Amino acid sequence: DTAVSQTPKYLVTQMGNDKSIKCEQNLGHDTMYWYKQDSKKFLKIMFSYNNKELIINETVPNRFSPKSPDKAHLNLHINSLELGDSAVYFCASSQGRAGNTIYFGEGSWLTVV
Amino acid sequence: AQKVTQAQTEISVVEKEDVTLDCVYETRDTTYYLFWYKQPPSGELVFLIRRNSFDEQNEISGRYSWNFQKSTSSFNFTITASQVVDSAVYFCALSEGRSGNTGKLIFGQGTTLQVKP
Repeated sequence: DTAVSQTPKYLVTQMGNDKSIKCEQNLGHDTMYWYKQDSKKFLKIMFSYNNKELIINETVPNRFSPKSPDKAHLNLHINSLELGDSAVYFCASSQGRAGNTIYFGEGSWLTVV
Repeated sequence: AQKVTQAQTEISVVEKEDVTLDCVYETRDTTYYLFWYKQPPSGELVFLIRRNSFDEQNEISGRYSWNFQKSTSSFNFTITASQVVDSAVYFCALSEGRSGNTGKLIFGQGTTLQVKP
């Protein structure tokens, strides 16, 4: 069973569209994240939720809106997609406190054309 | 400010060679955590190891070993007798221990390792 699963794995869409990426974890963790990996492989945190509460929002454009319906799910909705949004988006989870291991999903490859 | 530097962008070795991936970090925290992740060509991020700042013991896991030295702010990763399956991008990451920080990872730029047969 996949610990952190995200769908879709590949997404090609046109500029201006709205799209969502879904994420679910079955590890019983209380903290979930979205990270973005750009074309140069650089990884950076976007959001973090702890027990459904937003705790980290790293200067991400407000076209990106995360939603956590429960501890096991964290979805990412992106409005008005731009070319620069093309990237790999990783969902991840950990059990709370700073320093605990973060486990990543397989990534969602988003291409905006 | 916190920062992780992986100065080696790309390394190419021949199978069975030993290879060391360097990682240097900066933080003002006295409590922090260091990680290594592997990203194979298939793209997923695989957790390899976690160390806290109070534990400087080196660690060995099979062909993998890690050398943590606080005096030089380094957390280097060595693969002994490299294999083609070790070809991947390797990321070093830092997580600080300040209150309110629930695990934000600061990643280095990654080192692409190519192991040739």
